[in-house]
Amino acid sequence: NAGVTQTPKFRVLKTGQSMTLLCAQDMNHEYMYWYRQDPGMGLRLIHYSVGEGTTAKGEVPDGYNVSRLKKQNFLLGLESAAPSQTSVYFCASSKTSGTSETQYFGPGTRLLVL
Amino acid sequence: ILNVEQSPQSLHVQEGDSTNFTCSFPSSNFYALHWYRWETAKSPEALFVMTLNGDEKKKGRISATLNTKEGYSYLYIKGSQPEDSATYLCAFFSGGYQKVTFGTGTKLQVIP
Repeated sequence: NAGVTQTPKFRVLKTGQSMTLLCAQDMNHEYMYWYRQDPGMGLRLIHYSVGEGTTAKGEVPDGYNVSRLKKQNFLLGLESAAPSQTSVYFCASSKTSGTSETQYFGPGTRLLVL
Repeated sequence: ILNVEQSPQSLHVQEGDSTNFTCSFPSSNFYALHWYRWETAKSPEALFVMTLNGDEKKKGRISATLNTKEGYSYLYIKGSQPEDSATYLCAFFSGGYQKVTFGTGTKLQVIP
């Protein structure tokens, strides 16, 4: 099992460009999450999904969109990147609700917006 | 925004020393507390999921306790080894899975 994988690992964007980050899990997990990690701050939840075809907003959703067309994939989109979106993005998944279940994290995507 | 604090921010210990650090969180609306171990350039790895006041969990030389009434959890490492060097994160759930607040972590360096 690969667990949770993320592509790409690193990307540089110019302000205004768009991109999609892909998260894939092979554990048949229902729940998937996107977090961002900024210096001096804890991980913050951007969006999450409780199953195929469903998505919902987390703590910091502005500027991002997500889709979960297949159970194993959770996509995070930036329509018009801004320097404030420079961050490290982590995807995670859990079998059921993330409060009492272990969350499994991907390796992260480092994004630099110039 | 909930206040979840971890202390100390960083510490250095000698190999063989035992150590502990703290995660403090609001004492109301407690759902769960997770501990993660995060090595540099790797993914956070779950250590413990704690849901009940008084919970004590153990995995090898690492253990954790939980006090939801006073709003803290301790993580203990007995006989620290260089491979224990990592950042230890706690995550506090105050509602469902979407109401999560992560601490900023305690960075542990074990000196051989």
